[in-house]
Amino acid sequence: GAGVSQTPSNKVTEKGKYVELRCDPISGHTALYWYRQSLGQGPEFLIYFQGTGAADDSGLPNDRFFAVRPEGSVSTLKIQRTERGDSAVYLCASSLRRGDLVDEQFFGPGTRLTVL
Amino acid sequence: GNSVTQMEGPVTLSEEAFLTINCTYTATGYPSLFWYVQYPGEGLQLLLKATKADDKGSNKGFEATYRKETTSFHLEKGSVQVSDSAVYFCALMFTGGGNKLTFGTGTQLKVEL
Repeated sequence: GAGVSQTPSNKVTEKGKYVELRCDPISGHTALYWYRQSLGQGPEFLIYFQGTGAADDSGLPNDRFFAVRPEGSVSTLKIQRTERGDSAVYLCASSLRRGDLVDEQFFGPGTRLTVL
Repeated sequence: GNSVTQMEGPVTLSEEAFLTINCTYTATGYPSLFWYVQYPGEGLQLLLKATKADDKGSNKGFEATYRKETTSFHLEKGSVQVSDSAVYFCALMFTGGGNKLTFGTGTQLKVEL
């Protein structure tokens, strides 16, 4: 079956512009996560959705970052007024999220965002 | 806050050598522990996990044991192959709070013939 997909794979934008990054999770996965991976670092948590609602957005760095998942499947990460420091690989992951069980998160290939 | 510390890379080994990649964590409580692997050009994949103290996770010849007394989860493999060349990430998670992962910085492994 299909894994987690992310589009675009690469995005180059100019400082101050608005960008949207899309994530298609594995069908049937109720949990969806966004992480950000800067060069030479491990992924850092941004936000977690359970169904349509953002259950934990404590990792969003500031109010320029926003994410939605209106139908409980596809999610979009939105970044306003981009800054050069936003350049990173943005990773999406999904899981079945069966209560409190430790279930596996399946990661997408990521979107590499470059802000010039 | 919670954190994970990994040994810095790159680690360069000859094929069939023994591998250890050190990982220690700082956390309040007892998290679940993971090793993820990222092969060149591919996404992160779960390699193995352990959910409680003294558990041993294993997969593809790799092993790691959850040591509560030393807050460690070192990754080992007895005989590495060129195909094991990748970046390895240690991570922790607390269940019940959204299952968000906290990752280390990653350790690059290069295996040469």
